[in-house]
Order: sequence, then C-alpha cells, then structure tokens
Amino acid sequence: DAKTTQPPSMDCAEGRAANLPCNHSTISGNEYVYWYRQIHSQGPQYIIHGLKNNETNEMASLIITEDRKSSTLILPHATLRDTAVYYCIVSRSKAAGNKLTFGGGTRVLVKP
Amino acid sequence: DTAVSQTPKYLVTQMGNDKSIKCEQNLGHDTMYWYKQDSKKFLKIMFSYNNKELIINETVPNRFSPKSPDKAHLNLHINSLELGDSAVYFCASSQARGGELFFGEGSRLTVL
Repeated sequence: DAKTTQPPSMDCAEGRAANLPCNHSTISGNEYVYWYRQIHSQGPQYIIHGLKNNETNEMASLIITEDRKSSTLILPHATLRDTAVYYCIVSRSKAAGNKLTFGGGTRVLVKP
Repeated sequence: DTAVSQTPKYLVTQMGNDKSIKCEQNLGHDTMYWYKQDSKKFLKIMFSYNNKELIINETVPNRFSPKSPDKAHLNLHINSLELGDSAVYFCASSQARGGELFFGEGSRLTVL
C-alpha cells in the first residue's frame, strides 16, 4: 500500500473550516484514499473515502487532486468535539481485503 | 447498543501469563479484525477473518492466536505474555472485505 505524509499537528478555530492535507505521491490506480479519526481513548472512527472524485458526507468533504497524489479532508465547521488525531490512509482495491495501515496522523486541536 | 464490543477494557497481568480478549459485533458484518496500537500510537493490523476464515495474518508471533467461533465473534488469545505485548488492542468489523471499519473501544493490556 502507498505511504502517506501528513503534518503532525494543526490548530483550528471553532466554527471555522479545518483543511487537513495528505500527500500520497506513490498511490496506484486501484488504491482508495480513506480518512479515519481517533478521539482520545476511543477506537478509530471512519470519516470518508474516495478513489478519484471528490466526496462529501455528513461529516466531511474529501478533495482529491486530479493526479491523485494528494488530498484534503475538509471539516466544514469544526467543533471542540472534532479534536482528534486524523489519519489519511491509502489502501488497495476494496475487493483485495481491507488491510488499512495507519501512519502517524495529524493531531488536530480545535480551539474556542 | 454497542456495535463492536470488547472485553475486558483493561487487563493487567504478569509476564508469562496467558490471557484472552473477546470481541463481539452486532452489525451483521462478515469480516472482523484485530489491530494493535503501541505506545507510539501506531495502529497495526494483526489479523483479519472473513466468515470465520483467516484472510490476513501480519507476521504476528505464534503466541497470538485468534479464534472465530462464528462470524460475530473474534477472540484473541495470547500465550506467554511479554513486556512488549503491552498495548491497546482494537477489534473492528466491516461489511465486506473492503468496507469501512467499525472499531471497538479498545482493550488496554499492561504486562508487568
């Protein structure tokens, strides 16, 4: 699976949009981009995933560049409860098994 | 109702002992996983079962033996515990091999 690079930490103001970048320059054609987050002392929580097109759900939006070498997770209106470690993961085709490899992630602190 | 539940949440034991962690999911998923999160917070997959069949086994010592009595349960038994086994162990499940993962709250194992 392709490796990802994320900033180790970032701060965000409550009520503002949080834009979390992720580089995955070695991504291959059948690999999806997944985002999970882990709130302190809890299990990881799925946020969103995509292949080529931008995706949006009730939690966030995922913007994938045209060359697929990077992506951005957008939390439209960050709240204090969004404080967590956010993981960007690139993984093989869904049919091949869900062997997600978590890296260091980005520690996001939402401030009042 | 908790979707993925693990017991116990905390486990403190001596080196050399044998212990088990149990996991149950009520989501009707076919695939279950065990992940290990070490002191540096990296999450690594250990095992994955699909309909009681082992499909992922990530170079885990033989002291670790997963057991899936049915597709709703995946237990982890660890023999001859070592200090390096201290970690948080997360169980997860997914609808299909490539579906989003739902994680349990984790079981913190401390080996003294």
